[in-house]
Amino acid sequence: AQSVTQLGSHVSVSEGALVLLRCNYSSSVPPYLFWYVQYPNQGLQLLLKYTSAATLVKGINGFEAEFKKSETSFHLTKPSAHMSDAAEYFCAVSVPNTGNQFYFGTGTSLTVIP
Amino acid sequence: NAGVTQTPKFQVLKTGQSMTLQCAQDMNHEYMSWYRQDPGMGLRLIHYSVGAGITDQGEVPNGYNVSRSTTEDFPLRLLSAAPSQTSVYFCASSYSRGPLHFGNGTRLTVT
Repeated sequence: AQSVTQLGSHVSVSEGALVLLRCNYSSSVPPYLFWYVQYPNQGLQLLLKYTSAATLVKGINGFEAEFKKSETSFHLTKPSAHMSDAAEYFCAVSVPNTGNQFYFGTGTSLTVIP
Repeated sequence: NAGVTQTPKFQVLKTGQSMTLQCAQDMNHEYMSWYRQDPGMGLRLIHYSVGAGITDQGEVPNGYNVSRSTTEDFPLRLLSAAPSQTSVYFCASSYSRGPLHFGNGTRLTVT
């Protein structure tokens, strides 16, 4: 079975500070990993994805994530938070050859303090 | 290019009523799926399809039916609405091994 754990349902950072959102996964086979962002009353938008190429993945809006197999982690970072980064962030895993089923974490709500 | 289109955006139902949530995509994706989003629970898979004529159950399928007669459309039917089905519903599509592309959601309230 696959599962995704996001530590911290709410994270607050000051504008300009480092953003770190944590994601750990469990999977019996090498998974594909994704981060999505959701702004209020909108659908989910892809931030970045890991599909077994480079372990450090760069995404949109200055975000990046590093796949660490030994730690089964895929934490999301951004060096300097901007007010527009305030949103809900979801980590997700999909397992190849399973009908492209995705398993989502419970989400982390990011607040940026001016 | 519209992407994934969901209708309606909002719906209020009484317990026991039935309805269909519509989903259409114009990207020729073979995979389509329905998720529900509830506070503190992330997104949970209801049903999915790997191609026209092929559907399967996800994590929380009870009370919902789907069919996939064309590549473009993947409607979700609520057979007899219950308050526990109050949620935000998202349709998504993708290529094999690709990221999901989401619609903007349908907010359903069952009273």
